[in-house]
Amino acid sequence: IVLTQSPGTLSSSPGERATLSCRASQNINHNHLAWYQQKPGQAPRPLFYGASIRATGVPDRFSGSGSGTDFTLTISRLEPEDFAVYYCQQYGTSPVTFGQGTRLEIK
Amino acid sequence: QVQLQESGPGVVKPSETLSLTCTVSGASISGYYWSWIRQPPGKGLEWIGYIHYSGSTDYNPSLKSRVTMSLDTSENQFSLKLTSVTAADTAVYYCARNQYLPHDVFNFWGHGTAVTVSS
Repeated sequence: IVLTQSPGTLSSSPGERATLSCRASQNINHNHLAWYQQKPGQAPRPLFYGASIRATGVPDRFSGSGSGTDFTLTISRLEPEDFAVYYCQQYGTSPVTFGQGTRLEIK
Repeated sequence: QVQLQESGPGVVKPSETLSLTCTVSGASISGYYWSWIRQPPGKGLEWIGYIHYSGSTDYNPSLKSRVTMSLDTSENQFSLKLTSVTAADTAVYYCARNQYLPHDVFNFWGHGTAVTVSS
């Protein structure tokens, strides 16, 4: 399954709302879709699994939604520490695949 | 707290075999699925495969002919071997633990180890 994330780069300011998209080339079984945040020099950090289930310790300004082939990660009010690269991952079908990432940068 | 630590050579010659080990602490390797993921410089993430404590495995078809995973329950470690490497295998290699399923979210990650393929 090919995952296409958009936009490739999103320029936003702290306090703004950010909406990141992940579109799958075919239906993702059981909505087995995860989101990760990655900062430079660090491993990815899981944010959501099952499309909308928040991982441990993730602030509630982050939300995940979607089903089928269209999924969204929303950050309601950007904090300085949120500027990073975000990846979606599907695990409903082997092989597990990742999107190419969305870079969220400070405007 | 589950912790994973990758180890292995930072440089591998073309056509040789890349060998990495992941040491797990804070949890037993038994009962979970363990994965390898890699990230070429400046690029995205690629799943390499998983191994279960029972010994069952699944590999990415793009790498399947060159990948072998194994585990050592006595040392609480699992390992990756990738044969016939080329420059395209240059990447940061991460080990990770699957949440519950063979194909799953990766809820614990190592810090990653950079491997360069170069003569």
